[in-house]
Amino acid sequence: DAEITQSPRHKITETGRQVTLACHQTWNHNNMFWYRQDLGHGLRLIHYSYGVQDTNKGEVSDGYSVSRSNTEDLPLTLESAASSQTSVYFCASSESETEIYEQYFGPGTRLTVT
Amino acid sequence: SQKIEQNSEALNIQEGKTATLTCNYTNYSPAYLQWYRQDPGRGPVFLLLIRENEKEKRKERLKVTFDTTLKQSLFHITASQPADSATYLCALDMLDNQAGTALIFGKGTTLSVSS
Repeated sequence: DAEITQSPRHKITETGRQVTLACHQTWNHNNMFWYRQDLGHGLRLIHYSYGVQDTNKGEVSDGYSVSRSNTEDLPLTLESAASSQTSVYFCASSESETEIYEQYFGPGTRLTVT
Repeated sequence: SQKIEQNSEALNIQEGKTATLTCNYTNYSPAYLQWYRQDPGRGPVFLLLIRENEKEKRKERLKVTFDTTLKQSLFHITASQPADSATYLCALDMLDNQAGTALIFGKGTTLSVSS
């Protein structure tokens, strides 16, 4: 069965370190998204991609970057981790070729920046 | 600026009753609206999508309405069960009237169904 996976599931890192969160989907979806979820804020869009070599900034993109070199993967990089980036991160993907707009979410990565 | 509000952070009801959750939006002209369910420690799961030209959509015990004049969607769970306890999120496409774009989510309503 097709799926979307995230790794690691839990990560503790120190302030200032570079961290990369992986997202891999086997749906063959063109659209991929990264969100962060915090108490009191809900899900907020960080970056998104509508296809290979396409990336776009979302609502809370400062301090984060993404690159899309193939259809299956959209890694999220924190260039210099800050305590404010402690959060739960969700990756999602969706179709682009049909009128099916639902997003499929991964299980999430809990990141703690100390 | 665009804004989505889910009026209640928490809703507590008894088993067998109908739960009604509200999603309001401003400064949007969405092509469609989606509802997701999220259980603790898990990613959201898609439940229903309703388009701007649809007034109502049903799926088993779930019913969604979409009033573009009031800028509001109502999400109903009939004959609620303790297993329905979860956080429910509404979401709109980020760009006005352009389906398939990134989504903007409400903060969610946590539903607790007691037996």
